[in-house]
Amino acid sequence: TQLLEQSPQFLSIQEGENLTVYCNSSSVFSSLQWYRQEPGEGPVLLVTVVTGGEVKKLKRLTFQFGDARKDSSLHITAAQPGDTGLYLCAVQGRDDKIIFGKGTRLHILP
Amino acid sequence: GAGVSQSPSNKVTEKGKDVELRCDPISGHTALYWYRQRLGQGLEFLIYFQGNSAPDKSGLPSDRFSAERTGESVSTLTIQRTQQEDSAVYLCASSLIFRSYGYTFGSGTRLTVV
Repeated sequence: TQLLEQSPQFLSIQEGENLTVYCNSSSVFSSLQWYRQEPGEGPVLLVTVVTGGEVKKLKRLTFQFGDARKDSSLHITAAQPGDTGLYLCAVQGRDDKIIFGKGTRLHILP
Repeated sequence: GAGVSQSPSNKVTEKGKDVELRCDPISGHTALYWYRQRLGQGLEFLIYFQGNSAPDKSGLPSDRFSAERTGESVSTLTIQRTQQEDSAVYLCASSLIFRSYGYTFGSGTRLTVV
């Protein structure tokens, strides 16, 4: 079983639309990270959320950590073609390894 | 350096050959991770190093895989007797301290075994 479940797996929407992707788990975490990966590159850290209920904004991206610190969401407002990429959530497991979800592959159509 | 550097960026090798992949972490970063990413998939943990502690090798898929790191500098991932299923992008990440709130990744080495 996957520690982190990301949904949807794939999302293709028109430029200007809003979208939300999710990262869910049955475990509680002290922190959670979101990364974006573009083709041919490594993942780039977008944000780390630490406190239950925390909301962080990065321009048009809004990240929320669930109150129980088991899940997180990423909302993008007025999506742009430059938002296209693989969005990965990650946590530090009990054995200190960084565990990644399988990601949501986002494609913004111009 | 300014970022995590990996080399080569691309490697095509014949089945059965050995390959060595290199990672130069950000100077001063004590933690270093290796991940494997198969086409269209997420990141699969392979191994991590933290300072002078024994590395966690629990993610290495077989004894054909090994990795070394000298102190807090360069790391090499070696795959012996490569198989076609080893084809993937191998990513390296480093962080300033262990359990850091964020990791810097290199651009990866794309390995193709033919």
